[in-house]
Amino acid sequence: DGGITQSPKYLFRKEGQNVTLSCEQNLNHDAMYWYRQDPGQGLRLIYYSQIVNDFQKGDIAEGYSVSREKKESFPLTVTSAQKNPTAFYLCASSLGLAGVGDTQYFGPGTRLTVL
Amino acid sequence: AQTVTQSQPEMSVQEAETVTLSCTYDTSESDYYLFWYKQPPSRQMILVIRQEAYKQQNATENRFSVNFQKAAKSFSLKISDSQLGDAAMYFCAYTSYTDKLIFGTGTRLQVFP
Repeated sequence: DGGITQSPKYLFRKEGQNVTLSCEQNLNHDAMYWYRQDPGQGLRLIYYSQIVNDFQKGDIAEGYSVSREKKESFPLTVTSAQKNPTAFYLCASSLGLAGVGDTQYFGPGTRLTVL
Repeated sequence: AQTVTQSQPEMSVQEAETVTLSCTYDTSESDYYLFWYKQPPSRQMILVIRQEAYKQQNATENRFSVNFQKAAKSFSLKISDSQLGDAAMYFCAYTSYTDKLIFGTGTRLQVFP
């Protein structure tokens, strides 16, 4: 089955800890994205990548970091510098970038809670 | 900056009836793409429908259709013959050549039997 997997589904973090959220796709898509979703708001873009070893900041990149060492993997690290990390995190991928109109397909998400 | 506005935080519909969700957007671009995504209680975002701005014809996918009014910058979603499984959050989204997908704040749709 082709798709996007995210793990874990639920993640708890103590204040001051870094945590890494996993995102893997087997769709052979070039572009990958990380979004944050808070109650009552739409999705906000954290980082995106159009090619291996290259990524760009989105609208709310502060306190987050990413890597893109393999085409199929785009992990997100939530660092202790992120002041309010409790949220739902969604990973997405598309054949090309959003700007050319390619549809983004989403993973099931990770719910991060800071204790 | 481009923005997407969904002015209906919540909507409800009776099973088998038709409901229309509103979306307006602001842009100075002439070529762009619009999407409707559904987020059921599982919270995984699912593509409902996609529209290319240069196409005059409104997109349709089975019971889902859009009313795309380019001059008015309006992109509403019509759901016909509503089913209980249609209950979800619906997000309107826009992209042009900025490589970013911009989302509205969503409309929660309830379907009553």
